[in-house]
Amino acid sequence: DAKTTQPPSMDCAEGRAANLPCNHSTISGNEYVYWYRQIHSQGPQYIIHGLKNNETNEMASLIITEDRKSSTLILPHATLRDTAVYYCIVRVPNDYKLSFGAGTTVTVRA
Amino acid sequence: EAQVTQNPRYLITVTGKKLTVTCSQNMNHEYMSWYRQDPGLGLRQIYYSMNVEVTDKGDVPEGYKVSRKEKRNFPLILESPSPNQTSLYFCASSGPFQETQYFGPGTRLLVL
Repeated sequence: DAKTTQPPSMDCAEGRAANLPCNHSTISGNEYVYWYRQIHSQGPQYIIHGLKNNETNEMASLIITEDRKSSTLILPHATLRDTAVYYCIVRVPNDYKLSFGAGTTVTVRA
Repeated sequence: EAQVTQNPRYLITVTGKKLTVTCSQNMNHEYMSWYRQDPGLGLRQIYYSMNVEVTDKGDVPEGYKVSRKEKRNFPLILESPSPNQTSLYFCASSGPFQETQYFGPGTRLLVL
């Protein structure tokens, strides 16, 4: 059962912000939203996670709606190296399984 | 440097010839896991380990074995590989609350 829904692909211009949406309408109260990315068959890389407050780190910002049914990952200034598949995952932190869906293929164009 | 290493990175073998893919992490993580990635199927968990001598099946464990005799190592064993195990394999590790999983660089396996 897919817990998240993401668009299959999106393009972004280099230097612009990339806004990646994710729907998780069945999220439960103790589940966090995690984002990972995978650059061309490399190992997935953790980006950010949050519960209900917006979060920011050196890579990205995470905006979670007040009802927690959707979120947006923001790459503030996309570069060519941000071209990757981005995965939105909902889980409780001590859940031993990490279920990846199909993700969003983001292509940053010069 | 904190990292998860896998060896070999590329492997071509024949059906039935036992092989082992090693995974090692230097972060003193309790939790380790193996995934396989296939086109159109995404990442699927094979086995995971919550600590030394504690392992459990993931979503696709058939045809694989694992062991966790030391905290840092979590080898994946294919006793009798078959062509349907041709895939890209990733090892991952994380700390006690699994907040962030760190992935290895991947092992690309081709079984002829």
